[in-house]
Amino acid sequence: DTGVSQNPRHKITKRGQNVTFRCDPISEHNRLYWYRQTLGQGPEFLTYFQNEAQLEKSRLLSDRFSAERPKGSFSTLEIQRTEQGDSAMYLCASSRSGVLTDTQYFGPGTRLTVL
Amino acid sequence: GESVGLHLPTLSVQEGDNSIINCAYSNSASDYFIWYKQESGKGPQFIIDIRSNMDKRQGQRVTVLLNKTVKHLSLQIAATQPGDSAVYFCPGGGKLIFGQGTELSVKP
Repeated sequence: DTGVSQNPRHKITKRGQNVTFRCDPISEHNRLYWYRQTLGQGPEFLTYFQNEAQLEKSRLLSDRFSAERPKGSFSTLEIQRTEQGDSAMYLCASSRSGVLTDTQYFGPGTRLTVL
Repeated sequence: GESVGLHLPTLSVQEGDNSIINCAYSNSASDYFIWYKQESGKGPQFIIDIRSNMDKRQGQRVTVLLNKTVKHLSLQIAATQPGDSAVYFCPGGGKLIFGQGTELSVKP
């Protein structure tokens, strides 16, 4: 059973550096989502793709953030010029459209620490 | 926009007792609702979902009740176990809005 996978699981970086995270969704899922979660809060929606098209972006997704899903399979989330406020858990989820409940299944997350 | 909240931020129960976690929602347009469980350091894990045309759905040791009249959901966990200790979320379907969740602590 291959669920959603994310790499790396942990990333420590210095302020001002760029970081990139990868998400591999469940293979038959055409939708892919990115969320950010800080301590004591629930996940907050960032953006989502249907196949390779990025259909929605949250206001939380500043210009320093960019997400891609070039072939409609895996996705990357890049943060440029990281700031300490970017420290959080970045979660990826995937789902399949066209079924009765478009339930999202989450990966284990990438924990980012910006020093 | 949609608002989904939980009545209590924390819930403490004795091992073996039944747990009830409540949730209120404001968006009547949601087609379905999902309960997730999140253990420390892990991503949210799907527990059970319920479509808006249902009142009740049962899973293994869990039951979800939906009251559309008062826009209220509840998750009942039977014979709560230490492994049930986690934060529970009840976002509506579609673009998920999670809220803070309810932290369930199970005392041995």
